[in-house]
Amino acid sequence: QQQVKQSPQSLIVQKGGISIINCAYENTAFDYFPWYQQFPGKGPALLIAIRPDVSEKKEGRFTISFNKSAKQFSLHIMDSQPGDSATYFCAASLRYNTDKLIFGTGTRLQVFP
Amino acid sequence: GAVVSQHPSRVICKSGTSVKIECRSLDFQATTMFWYRQFPKQSLMLMATSNEGSKATYEQGVEKDKFLINHASLTLSTLTVTSAHPEDSSFYICSARDGGQGDPYEQYFGPGTRLTVT
Repeated sequence: QQQVKQSPQSLIVQKGGISIINCAYENTAFDYFPWYQQFPGKGPALLIAIRPDVSEKKEGRFTISFNKSAKQFSLHIMDSQPGDSATYFCAASLRYNTDKLIFGTGTRLQVFP
Repeated sequence: GAVVSQHPSRVICKSGTSVKIECRSLDFQATTMFWYRQFPKQSLMLMATSNEGSKATYEQGVEKDKFLINHASLTLSTLTVTSAHPEDSSFYICSARDGGQGDPYEQYFGPGTRLTVT
């Protein structure tokens, strides 16, 4: 019930295309859903995050879509660029449980020119 | 703002020795810090949560006597891997939560420490 399932495991997109990564969760008590970007040998960096009272959040080329009833959320990267090539992790958090983040398994994105 | 540093960035040690990794919040006070371990091509696995001035809370399956965590101040937490073995070789990442004016949900991650035990 604490798991966050992420798909696909890897994704290849052409430059300018849309990258879509999906996550699903079981625990309806989760109340914070961030996405992280990680480059090889570096720590993860927060890209964008959403709370369950909002169905969509957009920041630049990055959009989170959140479906509370389906217990799913997804990251859309518009106009994907080679510099977006990285591993992306979704996560979920329980505010009352010391803010522990439960991470998805990760998606390795490769954007080809 | 909200920068977290780790030291060292990479360390090689011999089997049986201990190694200490430092995690510092540079421009905010971190009431809570987290330690993660990440194996190649895998996700981050939470090892423990530490609150300033109190004992760390370890996740199930993490040996607290092997991975000693100290959060002695609001800007510094340390992870000591005692009697390290080759299977402890991994990428160790800390994160910190801003206890002041920042977003109460957000965790700020350090750049990670690559530990290799020979």
